[in-house]
Amino acid sequence: ETGVTQTPRHLVMGMTNKKSLKCEQHLGHNAMYWYKQSAKKPLELMFVYNFKEQTENNSVPSRFSPECPNSSHLFLHLHTLQPEDSALYLCASSQDMASGGPYNEQFFGPGTRLTVL
Amino acid sequence: LAKTTQPISMDSYEGQEVNITCSHNNIATNDYITWYQQFPSQGPRFIIQGYKTKVTNEVASLFIPADRKSSTLSLPRVSLSDTAVYYCLVGEGGGFKTIFGAGTRLFVKA
Repeated sequence: ETGVTQTPRHLVMGMTNKKSLKCEQHLGHNAMYWYKQSAKKPLELMFVYNFKEQTENNSVPSRFSPECPNSSHLFLHLHTLQPEDSALYLCASSQDMASGGPYNEQFFGPGTRLTVL
Repeated sequence: LAKTTQPISMDSYEGQEVNITCSHNNIATNDYITWYQQFPSQGPRFIIQGYKTKVTNEVASLFIPADRKSSTLSLPRVSLSDTAVYYCLVGEGGGFKTIFGAGTRLFVKA
C-alpha cells in the first residue's frame, strides 16, 4: 500500500450506532488531518495531529472522537450521529509543520462516504 | 488566516489555456499560496505552491504579482480530464489550520 488509505470506503449507520473510520499513511509523515466535506460545500477541517498530539479541534461536536495512536494511523470514532453528519470524511497527512517555511503539501486519502440514517 | 475569493465556476474547451484568479487581499508576509485540485468523491490533490513571481511545474504555472494580493493558476491546453474543482489556499507554513474556500468548478468541454 502506498500513500494514504482509508477504510471503510462506504459506511451506513443508524443514529444509535458506534463506528470508527480508519486512516493509514505510508509516507513517513508526522502530521495527520480529518476533514469533512458535505454535499456541495467546501472542505471543513476537523482535527489536526502532529507527532500524535492533537493541535487543532475546529469546534467539532463531541460525537466525533479522534484517536492517533502513532504517526501512521488516525481514527475517527463515531457515536450518536445525526443525519446531517452524512458526508465524505477525508484524511490527509503531511510532513510535520516546523515554523516558517513553505506550506507543507497535504496528501489526501480517497475518503469514507458516510450515510447516517 | 487570509480569506480567498475565487470565481464559482468557469467553462473552457479542450486545448485552451485556462487561467483561474484568486484574490487574497489580507495575505500576510509569511503566507504561501497553494492550489489543490479535487475530482468528485476524491480527496484534493496538490497542484502547485508559490510565494512570489512565477512558479511552473509539469502541471501548471502560478503567477503572483508583486503585491501578492492575488494569484493566477494557469493550466495549459486543458483536456476533459481537467474538469474538477480548484482550490486556492493561503497560509503560513508553520500553521496547521487549513481553510478551503468554495473553490472554482472548471468544466472542460469537447
